[in-house]
Amino acid sequence: EAGVAQSPRYKIIEKRQSVAFWCNPISGHATLYWYQQILGQGPKLLIQFQNNGVVDDSQLPKDRFSAERLKGVDSTLKIQPAKLEDSAVYLCASSLKWPQETQYFGPGTRLLVL
Amino acid sequence: QKEVEQDPGPLSVPEGAIVSLNCTYSNSAFQYFMWYRQYSRKGPELLMYTYSSGNKEDGRFTAQVDKSSKYISLFIRDSQPSDSATYLCAIEGSNYKLTFGKGTLLTVNP
Repeated sequence: EAGVAQSPRYKIIEKRQSVAFWCNPISGHATLYWYQQILGQGPKLLIQFQNNGVVDDSQLPKDRFSAERLKGVDSTLKIQPAKLEDSAVYLCASSLKWPQETQYFGPGTRLLVL
Repeated sequence: QKEVEQDPGPLSVPEGAIVSLNCTYSNSAFQYFMWYRQYSRKGPELLMYTYSSGNKEDGRFTAQVDKSSKYISLFIRDSQPSDSATYLCAIEGSNYKLTFGKGTLLTVNP
């Protein structure tokens, strides 16, 4: 079974630029999560989708972050404009259903904002 | 007070040592307790999962939960260099959202 795929793996941008990350969850997984992991911290949930609907986006900085999951499969997370404090690893995870199902994480996209 | 507190280490032990990793939490509504392992430049992977007080064993790994003290532990017996990673405790609340600790960086030296 293929795991969660993410791209790009690394991205370096200047502040105020925009950036987008892509996630392909495990086939058949209805729930998709985006987490932000700042260096030395645990992952923090940004947004959770159930199929293509948003379950929780309470910690998503909506003035600059947006996410979508069209057709209930792949998802993109966008930051516009980026700030220095957005430097982090952006992790995508998926689970078969929700709640109380194991979350499987992708390798993450490492973002550096200069 | 943060919801989940975890000593970030780093922790360095010789091969074969017993490792003890710990987290405390503040919200008694937390129901499910997990340990994730994260290798360098990889995503976290679920290691252990439990919802009740007491011990749960899986090979060399034992997860311990003490709900009265709001304290969870992960013990690794006969530690191996391949156990070198960051260990994250994660706790699921009544809203089914995971709250992670900061992670403890463990190095097992051959």
